[in-house]
Amino acid sequence: EVQLVESGGDLVQPGGSLRLSCAASGFTFSTYWMHWVRQAPGKGLVWVSRISNDGSITTYADAVRGRFTISRDNAENTLYLQMNSLRAEDTAVYYCSRGVGGRGPDYWGQGILVTVSS
Amino acid sequence: QSALTQPASVSGSPGQSITISCTGTGSDVGGYNYVSWYQQHPGKAPKLLIYDVSNRPSGVSNRFSGSKSGNTASLAISGLQVEDEADYYCNSYTSSMTVVFGGGTKLTVL
Repeated sequence: EVQLVESGGDLVQPGGSLRLSCAASGFTFSTYWMHWVRQAPGKGLVWVSRISNDGSITTYADAVRGRFTISRDNAENTLYLQMNSLRAEDTAVYYCSRGVGGRGPDYWGQGILVTVSS
Repeated sequence: QSALTQPASVSGSPGQSITISCTGTGSDVGGYNYVSWYQQHPGKAPKLLIYDVSNRPSGVSNRFSGSKSGNTASLAISGLQVEDEADYYCNSYTSSMTVVFGGGTKLTVL
Protein backbone atom coordinates (compact mmCIF):
# COMPACT_ATOMS: atom_id res chain seq x y z
CA GLU A 1 0.00 0.00 0.00
CA VAL A 2 1.35 3.40 -1.01
CA GLN A 3 1.79 5.68 2.01
CA LEU A 4 2.98 9.27 2.14
CA VAL A 5 3.27 10.87 5.57
CA GLU A 6 4.12 14.55 5.90
CA SER A 7 5.69 16.11 8.99
CA GLY A 8 7.30 19.36 10.07
CA GLY A 9 4.33 21.71 9.87
CA ASP A 10 4.25 24.46 12.47
CA LEU A 11 3.38 28.05 13.30
CA VAL A 12 6.21 30.29 12.11
CA GLN A 13 6.69 34.06 12.01
CA PRO A 14 6.86 35.97 8.73
CA GLY A 15 10.38 35.85 7.37
CA GLY A 16 11.06 32.57 9.11
CA SER A 17 12.01 29.14 7.76
CA LEU A 18 10.60 25.65 7.98
CA ARG A 19 11.45 22.26 6.50
CA LEU A 20 8.74 19.81 5.62
CA SER A 21 9.43 16.09 5.27
CA CYS A 22 7.44 13.35 3.57
CA ALA A 23 8.16 9.71 4.40
CA ALA A 24 7.25 7.37 1.56
CA SER A 25 6.55 3.65 1.72
CA GLY A 26 4.80 0.92 -0.24
CA PHE A 27 6.47 1.68 -3.57
CA THR A 28 9.93 2.05 -5.08
CA PHE A 29 10.49 5.70 -4.15
CA SER A 30 13.56 6.15 -6.36
CA THR A 31 11.61 5.49 -9.55
CA TYR A 32 8.95 8.19 -9.12
CA TRP A 33 8.83 11.96 -9.51
CA MET A 34 7.42 13.69 -6.43
CA HIS A 35 5.37 16.86 -5.96
CA TRP A 36 4.42 19.34 -3.27
CA VAL A 37 0.96 20.87 -3.59
CA ARG A 38 -0.62 23.34 -1.17
CA GLN A 39 -4.10 24.48 -0.27
CA ALA A 40 -4.79 27.68 1.63
CA PRO A 41 -7.75 27.56 4.05
CA GLY A 42 -10.98 27.48 2.06
CA LYS A 43 -9.14 27.78 -1.27
CA GLY A 44 -8.17 25.52 -4.14
CA LEU A 45 -5.19 23.30 -4.84
CA VAL A 46 -2.03 25.05 -5.96
CA TRP A 47 0.99 23.23 -7.31
CA VAL A 48 4.24 24.22 -5.57
CA SER A 49 7.14 22.14 -6.87
CA ARG A 50 8.24 18.81 -8.29
CA ILE A 51 11.45 16.80 -8.45
CA SER A 52 12.59 14.05 -10.77
CA ASN A 53 13.16 10.53 -9.53
CA ASP A 54 16.92 11.02 -9.26
CA GLY A 55 16.71 14.60 -7.99
CA SER A 56 18.44 16.09 -11.02
CA ILE A 57 15.43 18.10 -12.23
CA THR A 58 13.44 20.49 -10.05
CA THR A 59 10.76 22.99 -11.02
CA TYR A 60 8.84 25.55 -8.99
CA ALA A 61 5.75 27.71 -9.11
CA ASP A 62 6.53 31.41 -9.63
CA ALA A 63 5.15 32.22 -6.17
CA VAL A 64 7.82 30.18 -4.37
CA ARG A 65 10.79 30.14 -6.77
CA GLY A 66 13.90 31.44 -5.01
CA ARG A 67 12.40 30.90 -1.53
CA PHE A 68 11.54 27.18 -1.49
CA THR A 69 13.82 24.24 -2.30
CA ILE A 70 12.62 20.73 -3.02
CA SER A 71 14.97 17.79 -2.45
CA ARG A 72 14.91 14.08 -1.80
CA ASP A 73 16.89 11.30 -0.15
CA ASN A 74 16.27 8.09 -2.07
CA ALA A 75 18.22 6.06 0.46
CA GLU A 76 15.82 7.20 3.17
CA ASN A 77 12.68 7.27 0.97
CA THR A 78 12.05 10.85 2.04
CA LEU A 79 11.01 14.01 0.22
CA TYR A 80 11.74 17.48 1.61
CA LEU A 81 10.60 21.04 1.12
CA GLN A 82 12.82 23.75 2.60
CA MET A 83 10.80 26.93 2.94
CA ASN A 84 12.60 30.24 3.58
CA SER A 85 11.44 33.86 3.78
CA LEU A 86 7.95 32.68 4.64
CA ARG A 87 5.02 35.00 4.09
CA ALA A 88 1.47 35.07 5.42
CA GLU A 89 0.25 33.93 2.00
CA ASP A 90 2.25 30.71 2.36
CA THR A 91 -0.19 29.61 5.07
CA ALA A 92 -1.73 26.38 3.79
CA VAL A 93 -2.02 22.65 4.11
CA TYR A 94 0.94 21.19 2.22
CA TYR A 95 0.48 17.86 0.48
CA CYS A 96 3.23 15.51 -0.62
CA SER A 97 2.26 13.51 -3.69
CA ARG A 98 3.67 11.01 -6.14
CA GLY A 99 3.96 11.61 -9.86
CA VAL A 100 5.00 9.87 -13.06
CA GLY A 101 6.84 12.00 -15.60
CA GLY A 102 4.54 14.69 -16.96
CA ARG A 103 1.47 13.32 -15.29
CA GLY A 104 -0.13 14.99 -12.32
CA PRO A 105 0.05 13.39 -8.89
CA ASP A 106 -1.60 10.03 -8.27
CA TYR A 107 -1.19 9.21 -4.56
CA TRP A 108 -1.35 11.96 -1.93
CA GLY A 109 -0.38 12.27 1.72
CA GLN A 110 -2.86 13.47 4.34
CA GLY A 111 -1.36 16.97 4.36
CA ILE A 112 0.38 19.08 6.98
CA LEU A 113 -0.57 22.58 8.11
CA VAL A 114 1.89 25.44 7.88
CA THR A 115 0.80 28.70 9.48
CA VAL A 116 2.76 31.90 8.93
CA SER A 117 1.71 34.54 11.42
CA SER A 118 3.13 36.90 13.99
CA GLN B 1 1.43 30.28 -14.45
CA SER B 2 -2.26 31.16 -14.56
CA ALA B 3 -4.65 28.62 -13.11
CA LEU B 4 -6.76 26.61 -15.53
CA THR B 5 -10.34 27.89 -15.76
CA GLN B 6 -13.13 25.81 -14.24
CA PRO B 7 -16.71 26.81 -13.39
CA ALA B 8 -17.00 27.68 -9.72
CA SER B 9 -19.99 25.43 -9.22
CA VAL B 10 -22.23 22.90 -10.93
CA SER B 11 -25.23 21.02 -9.66
CA GLY B 12 -27.39 18.07 -10.56
CA SER B 13 -29.95 15.67 -9.19
CA PRO B 14 -29.29 12.04 -8.29
CA GLY B 15 -29.19 9.91 -11.42
CA GLN B 16 -28.45 12.83 -13.74
CA SER B 17 -25.24 13.50 -15.65
CA ILE B 18 -23.05 16.59 -15.41
CA THR B 19 -19.91 17.86 -17.12
CA ILE B 20 -17.16 20.05 -15.69
CA SER B 21 -14.94 21.96 -18.10
CA CYS B 22 -11.29 22.92 -17.69
CA THR B 23 -9.90 25.52 -20.08
CA GLY B 24 -6.24 26.27 -20.56
CA THR B 25 -3.99 27.20 -23.45
CA GLY B 26 -1.87 25.54 -26.09
CA SER B 27 1.00 25.61 -23.59
CA ASP B 28 -0.76 23.31 -21.15
CA VAL B 29 -4.08 21.52 -21.76
CA GLY B 30 -3.93 21.87 -25.54
CA GLY B 31 -0.29 20.93 -25.86
CA TYR B 32 -0.10 17.72 -23.86
CA ASN B 33 -2.22 14.68 -23.06
CA TYR B 34 -1.30 15.05 -19.40
CA VAL B 35 -4.61 16.22 -17.97
CA SER B 36 -5.72 14.74 -14.64
CA TRP B 37 -8.89 15.15 -12.59
CA TYR B 38 -9.24 14.94 -8.81
CA GLN B 39 -12.11 14.68 -6.34
CA GLN B 40 -11.74 16.23 -2.89
CA HIS B 41 -14.18 15.86 -0.03
CA PRO B 42 -14.00 18.40 2.83
CA GLY B 43 -11.02 17.83 5.10
CA LYS B 44 -9.67 15.03 2.94
CA ALA B 45 -6.76 14.63 0.55
CA PRO B 46 -7.54 14.76 -3.17
CA LYS B 47 -8.26 11.49 -4.97
CA LEU B 48 -7.19 10.83 -8.55
CA LEU B 49 -10.15 10.13 -10.84
CA ILE B 50 -8.71 10.49 -14.35
CA TYR B 51 -5.17 10.66 -15.73
CA ASP B 52 -3.77 11.24 -19.22
CA VAL B 53 -7.04 12.92 -20.28
CA SER B 54 -9.28 9.86 -20.25
CA ASN B 55 -7.77 6.98 -18.27
CA ARG B 56 -9.29 5.77 -14.99
CA PRO B 57 -7.10 4.33 -12.24
CA SER B 58 -8.06 0.92 -10.94
CA GLY B 59 -10.95 1.20 -8.50
CA VAL B 60 -12.46 4.41 -9.88
CA SER B 61 -16.06 4.06 -10.99
CA ASN B 62 -16.76 4.03 -14.73
CA ARG B 63 -19.34 6.74 -14.04
CA PHE B 64 -16.39 9.13 -14.29
CA SER B 65 -14.96 9.84 -17.73
CA GLY B 66 -12.60 12.39 -19.24
CA SER B 67 -12.07 13.92 -22.64
CA LYS B 68 -10.30 16.82 -24.35
CA SER B 69 -10.91 19.04 -27.33
CA GLY B 70 -8.36 21.70 -28.18
CA ASN B 71 -7.51 23.70 -25.08
CA THR B 72 -10.47 22.45 -23.06
CA ALA B 73 -10.68 19.23 -21.07
CA SER B 74 -13.88 17.88 -19.57
CA LEU B 75 -14.90 15.56 -16.75
CA ALA B 76 -18.25 13.86 -17.09
CA ILE B 77 -20.06 12.19 -14.22
CA SER B 78 -23.03 10.01 -15.03
CA GLY B 79 -25.64 8.57 -12.69
CA LEU B 80 -24.96 11.22 -10.04
CA GLN B 81 -24.89 9.95 -6.47
CA VAL B 82 -25.09 11.87 -3.22
CA GLU B 83 -21.53 10.87 -2.40
CA ASP B 84 -20.29 12.58 -5.57
CA GLU B 85 -20.86 15.93 -3.86
CA ALA B 86 -17.33 17.30 -3.53
CA ASP B 87 -14.82 19.68 -5.06
CA TYR B 88 -13.29 18.70 -8.39
CA TYR B 89 -9.96 19.92 -9.79
CA CYS B 90 -8.27 19.53 -13.15
CA ASN B 91 -4.52 19.59 -13.60
CA SER B 92 -2.17 19.78 -16.57
CA TYR B 93 1.51 19.60 -17.38
CA THR B 94 2.86 22.79 -18.96
CA SER B 95 5.51 23.77 -21.49
CA SER B 96 7.54 25.28 -18.62
CA MET B 97 7.92 21.79 -17.14
CA THR B 98 5.61 22.86 -14.33
CA VAL B 99 2.16 21.70 -13.36
CA VAL B 100 -0.97 23.83 -13.03
CA PHE B 101 -4.30 23.17 -11.36
CA GLY B 102 -7.71 24.56 -12.14
CA GLY B 103 -9.44 26.77 -9.61
CA GLY B 104 -11.80 23.98 -8.61
CA THR B 105 -15.50 23.26 -9.11
CA LYS B 106 -17.94 22.60 -6.29
CA LEU B 107 -20.45 19.92 -7.26
CA THR B 108 -23.75 19.99 -5.44
CA VAL B 109 -26.05 16.99 -5.72
CA LEU B 110 -29.53 18.33 -5.06
